[in-house]
Amino acid sequence: GAVVSQHPSWVICKSGTSVKIECRSLDFQATTMFWYRQFPKQSLMLMATSNEGSKATYEQGVEKDKFLINHASLTLSTLTVTSAHPEDSSFYICSARGNSGDQETQYFGPGTRLLVL
Amino acid sequence: DAKTTQPTSMDCAEGRAANLPCNHSTISGNEYVYWYRQIHSQGPQYIIHGLKNNETNEMASLIITEDRKSSTLILPHATLRDTAVYYCITESYSSASKIIFGSGTRLSIRP
Repeated sequence: GAVVSQHPSWVICKSGTSVKIECRSLDFQATTMFWYRQFPKQSLMLMATSNEGSKATYEQGVEKDKFLINHASLTLSTLTVTSAHPEDSSFYICSARGNSGDQETQYFGPGTRLLVL
Repeated sequence: DAKTTQPTSMDCAEGRAANLPCNHSTISGNEYVYWYRQIHSQGPQYIIHGLKNNETNEMASLIITEDRKSSTLILPHATLRDTAVYYCITESYSSASKIIFGSGTRLSIRP
């Protein structure tokens, strides 16, 4: 199946700094990528839909100025957590649409664990 | 997207078939049934999907009822590595569609 990578796999930062997370589709092009966040013992929560060449669409309650998304190419989307605070500590997961047989399927990255001190 | 209902947790003996049910009674005609799983501290992994016919791949089988209101994911010979949270999702893949995760089923495989 299609492969999606994320970098870094984990990051620790000080409160007030910004952190950038990269999401790449390695063997396919993805016009649409998604960013999720997952807190311990909870399900994945969709944060935003990232569209190549246009602005991201954010879910209700997600601050677009805090979570900056850039989808500059068909294989790369980035999420920047600006002025991170301890409550932003979470597991961030991206996904990208690719083809599985005759049907599009969403493939997920391995996730990035963020710890804000 | 249609909502799905899954049991909160299940367990299964190693080597046995694990049968995970999912109800999607409000599924519409153009929506597929997708199954993903998430092993602890990893991203979700695609397992299988189907529209109305039963499907099988190297990981699992998917049985969809004739009325498409429910489905069952079957792991034919469960191993300890199959311990994970399994998510059943319905998805039409229109340009505006997006996957919304429910709570899933926490499957525990016991030795």
